[in-house]
Amino acid sequence: DTGVSQNPRHKITKRGQNVTFRCDPISEHNRLYWYRQTLGQGPEFLTYFQNEAQLEKSRLLSDRFSAERPKGSFSTLEIQRTEQGDSAMYLCASSFSGQETQYFGPGTRLLVL
Amino acid sequence: AQKITQTQPGMFVQEKEAVTLDCTYDTSDQSYGLFWYKQPSSGEMIFLIYQGSYDEQNATEGRYSLNFQKARKSANLVISASQLGDSAMYFCAMRETTKGGGGNKLTFGTGTQLKVEL
Repeated sequence: DTGVSQNPRHKITKRGQNVTFRCDPISEHNRLYWYRQTLGQGPEFLTYFQNEAQLEKSRLLSDRFSAERPKGSFSTLEIQRTEQGDSAMYLCASSFSGQETQYFGPGTRLLVL
Repeated sequence: AQKITQTQPGMFVQEKEAVTLDCTYDTSDQSYGLFWYKQPSSGEMIFLIYQGSYDEQNATEGRYSLNFQKARKSANLVISASQLGDSAMYFCAMRETTKGGGGNKLTFGTGTQLKVEL
C-alpha cells in the first residue's frame, strides 16, 4: 500500500505527558499538511510543509505543539505537556505541487486522561 | 475568511436510491476549489470528487457527481444508486492558498452523517 500512513493509530496518555506522532506521506508528494479533528467537527488546519520547510502554522498550533519534516519525507508532530483539550484525531495529508487533491492518512486518535 | 456550511447533520436513504448532500460556501476569492471527502467510522478521510471554480462542467466520478451552482455558492454532492457501504460521514471542503509556498489548506464543513438502509 503506497498511501499515507500514520503511527500510532491510537494513543492514550496522562495529562502533562509529551506525545509524538509520525506521518509518512505518499513517496513522491512534496507537500504535507497536519489537521486536527475534534468530535462532531470537520478537520481544522494546523500546519503545512513544502519539502522540509514549514511554511504556515495555524493559530491553533500553540507553543506546546511542534512539527518537523527533517528530510522532506516523513513528518512528526509533538505535543508537550498534554492537556485534556488536546484529545482529538490528528490527521496528516499529502499532495504534489500543482495537484489540487490532498490524500489523508488514517489518523492518530489521542486521548488525554 | 472562507466558510463552508453543511446544514444536514444526518440523512437517510434507501439502498439503490439517489441522495443529495448539501453544501454552501462563502469566499471572496475568484479562484477556488471545492472537495467532497468521505469519512467512515475508521476515521480515514477518503477523497471523492473535486470541482474548480472555473470548471464549466460539473464534476463526476463514478456514482458521485457535484452539482455546482456558482451564483448560489452551492456545491452539492449527489450519490446515485446508494450502497450500504456508502454509510459514513461526508465532508465538504474548500481550498485556500497558504501564506507561503503556494500550498492549499482546506476549510471543512461540519459534515453530514449518511445512513443507507435496506
